[in-house]
Amino acid sequence: GAGVSQTPSNKVTEKGKYVELRCDPISGHTALYWYRQSLGQGPEFLIYFQGTGAADDSGLPNDRFFAVRPEGSVSTLKIQRTERGDSAVYLCATGQGPNSPLHFGNGTRLTVT
Amino acid sequence: QKEVKQNSGPLSVPEGAIASLNCTYSDRGSQSFFWYRQYSGKSPELIMFIYSNGDKEDGRFTAQLNKASQYVSLLIRDSQPSDSATYLCAVAKPPGYGGSQGNLIFGKGTKLSVKP
Repeated sequence: GAGVSQTPSNKVTEKGKYVELRCDPISGHTALYWYRQSLGQGPEFLIYFQGTGAADDSGLPNDRFFAVRPEGSVSTLKIQRTERGDSAVYLCATGQGPNSPLHFGNGTRLTVT
Repeated sequence: QKEVKQNSGPLSVPEGAIASLNCTYSDRGSQSFFWYRQYSGKSPELIMFIYSNGDKEDGRFTAQLNKASQYVSLLIRDSQPSDSATYLCAVAKPPGYGGSQGNLIFGKGTKLSVKP
């Protein structure tokens, strides 16, 4: 597609469950980022992939959060043992390279009950 | 703690006026600065980026950067109701930390309302 695609658009889960959020980047974009945005806040950086490797995972809040990009295209953000505080909009953004402007997807709204 | 600060607003201006949005940042080594627009319920959309001191104009938008004062601003001329949105200021981590310019520190955003 023409833009960054994120699925699902909404996800409701119970506390303690495992969730996976998917990001399909713009074709040819090698840089991929995950951000998290809570209500009334700006996006908060989580992790950056250049190709298949996680070049910077300094924003992951704890070891319940993990992300992969096995073939250098689609990425999956995985959250184990979800907590109510994980509720937020999870945004994926991609760029042509590490110093290119970011193009954001529409996000996945995660609600943990 | 590296910070980016913006007035949360709301900033209300009449249609046709100039809207002025301001942002300060704490890391003096920062070199890349971005303004994103975010409509309610939508994702951020890049409007402008600026790397050098001074002004950068693109249509009705002008970004201004003053590195000595650690200050970035966005001016919107001839404001339209369709400009009503939250404007996010973002600063890239300085070079040398090993990552990319896509690792951005965002402010909380300023909500702009343009009244017809």
